[in-house]
Amino acid sequence: DVKVTQSSRYLVKRTGEKVFLECVQDMDHENMFWYRQDPGLGLRLIYFSYDVKMKEKGDIPEGYSVSREKKERFSLILESASTNQTSMYLCASNQAPTDTQYFGPGTRLTVL
Amino acid sequence: GQSLEQPSEVTAVEGAIVQINCTYQTSGFYGLSWYQQHDGGAPTFLSYNALDGLEETGRFSSFLSRSDSYGYLLLQELQMKDSASYFCAVRLTGGGNKLTFGTGTQLKVEL
Repeated sequence: DVKVTQSSRYLVKRTGEKVFLECVQDMDHENMFWYRQDPGLGLRLIYFSYDVKMKEKGDIPEGYSVSREKKERFSLILESASTNQTSMYLCASNQAPTDTQYFGPGTRLTVL
Repeated sequence: GQSLEQPSEVTAVEGAIVQINCTYQTSGFYGLSWYQQHDGGAPTFLSYNALDGLEETGRFSSFLSRSDSYGYLLLQELQMKDSASYFCAVRLTGGGNKLTFGTGTQLKVEL
């Protein structure tokens, strides 16, 4: 079974703090993704990566950056957290050519 | 832009059949996927339609009609545990490996 893990289930940070969200997958997948999920808006893609050190912007990259130094690990970074970044953050991975993505349990981030 | 529309909420009784629709406006995609997400849980893959027609997986079936820009997820013999959110998603042609998700439908199954 594919396993995608995220470093925290719940996180509370203060406005202006730098926040790191970590994601690890154990199936040697090439592609990894970061989404945020908000009520009524579905899943929105922030960034994705198709290889080590490669990244591409998704639909809502503003205020975020990412890092992929190793194939199994994809980090989402909030350089200066703001209250409008309070959300559920979901990481996923997949392997081409299939479309199926495997999701982590999510991190619920609250920025005060 | 590309968009996938779903009803926000559907309610049905245990044992019934329910259909969750997904209508889309997109120039081209490889296939239509469906994911299930229980409250507090991760989305999990349910079904995929690469071609028009019906795909059946146990109590769940999914349908795609590219000519009508429409797909649906059909859940039969509803159980309480089917209460969850359901998302349709497509991988757009020229979009690499990323998926575009619909807004999601919350299904409530009642006794």
